[in-house]
Amino acid sequence: GAVVSQHPSRVICKSGTSVKIECRSLDFQATTMFWYRQFPKKSLMLMATSNEGSKATYEQGVEKDKFLINHASLTLSTLTVTSAHPEDSSFYICSARDAAGNYGYTFGSGTRLTVV
Amino acid sequence: SQKIEQNSEALNIQEGKTATLTCNYTNYSPAYLQWYRQDPGRGPVFLLLIRENEKEKRKERLKVTFDTTLKQSLFHITASQPADSATYLCAPRGYNTDKLIFGTGTRLQVFP
Repeated sequence: GAVVSQHPSRVICKSGTSVKIECRSLDFQATTMFWYRQFPKKSLMLMATSNEGSKATYEQGVEKDKFLINHASLTLSTLTVTSAHPEDSSFYICSARDAAGNYGYTFGSGTRLTVV
Repeated sequence: SQKIEQNSEALNIQEGKTATLTCNYTNYSPAYLQWYRQDPGRGPVFLLLIRENEKEKRKERLKVTFDTTLKQSLFHITASQPADSATYLCAPRGYNTDKLIFGTGTRLQVFP
């Protein structure tokens, strides 16, 4: 079945620094990937849709300059949290949709970001 | 605005019983609806998908119903086990969009 690998699983960074999170589809090509954010005991909030070879589409209220998304290949999308602040601490999850439409939506295991 | 609501309170049931979780949506006409399971600190895992023109879908101990008139989906786990304890999320998907928007989630606790 489809597998999405997300890395790192946990990261602690200092305020003001940037953090990059990678999302890879391991055995399928993903033209579209999605990035979500989840607060404790809350549901997933869609941040942006990442399309291979084009600019990401951000949801209302999500700062595109703060959360940089790059989808350079059919198997890799990255989310960079720039100039991180403690309020950016959260659980970030990516998901990918198979280009052929065979697998539906597969999620990564998430990245716990803590900004100190 | 679009709303997807699930029982916000945790559902506690005894092992062996059937768990029923509810997903209600408003201002929405989904083409299909998916159910996911999420364990703490992990990403969601896909369970079942039901299309707009389907009333019911089954997979092993799982059953999903979809009532577009009531704008509701029910998710059933029969013969529940402690290992079924997790948060369950519904995610309708509309026409002409790839976006998957999630409901609030319901935490299920199955006790022995």
